[in-house]
Amino acid sequence: EDQVTQSPEALRLQEGESSSLNCSYTVSGLRGLFWYRQDPGKGPEFLFTLYSAGEEKEKERLKATLTKKESFLHITAPKPEDSATYLCAVQAMVIETSGSRLTFGEGTQLTVNP
Amino acid sequence: DSGVTQTPKHLITATGQRVTLRCSPRSGDLSVYWYQQSLDQGLQFLIQYYNGEERAKGNILERFSAQQFPDLHSELNLSSLELGDSALYFCASSVGFKETQYFGPGTRLLVL
Repeated sequence: EDQVTQSPEALRLQEGESSSLNCSYTVSGLRGLFWYRQDPGKGPEFLFTLYSAGEEKEKERLKATLTKKESFLHITAPKPEDSATYLCAVQAMVIETSGSRLTFGEGTQLTVNP
Repeated sequence: DSGVTQTPKHLITATGQRVTLRCSPRSGDLSVYWYQQSLDQGLQFLIQYYNGEERAKGNILERFSAQQFPDLHSELNLSSLELGDSALYFCASSVGFKETQYFGPGTRLLVL
């Protein structure tokens, strides 16, 4: 069974204080690892897809990295508008039907204080 | 705005009732996925359709069913509703059956 564990559950930072969020996973046949941002009561907003160990992607103050067992979301000099819940998900394929499914972690709730 | 639309935004109903949630995927996307997000269980995958065919199934209850129509919109039907079915229901879509999924704004269901 696919499993995704995110840590910490909650993180409070001061504006400009850089940090990292962790996502560890176990999945048979990883097809991709996804990071989403979710604001309260809204749908998850896509951030990054990583496909292979060693891959890195950046967008503004965010950088995602991937190893064989975990992924990190690094936040550099965060601003209050970066406050949100960050979700990690792994994609596994359903070989018999050529389907796919995402398994999500519980998320890290990030608060950035001005 | 992801381009995925869901209606209604909010739904309040009573136990034992049946409701239908609707989703229109992004233009050009053939896959539709349904997820349930409750406070105690996070985002849970329910079911995937690709071009009208069911392709993957999660822990979807027998009381729940879905379909994807020829115009590619999808409906999630929830019947014999229980208090525990109160949650946010999200639809997502992707171009094929394995690409990045883009989520809609969700339908908040409250069962009283």
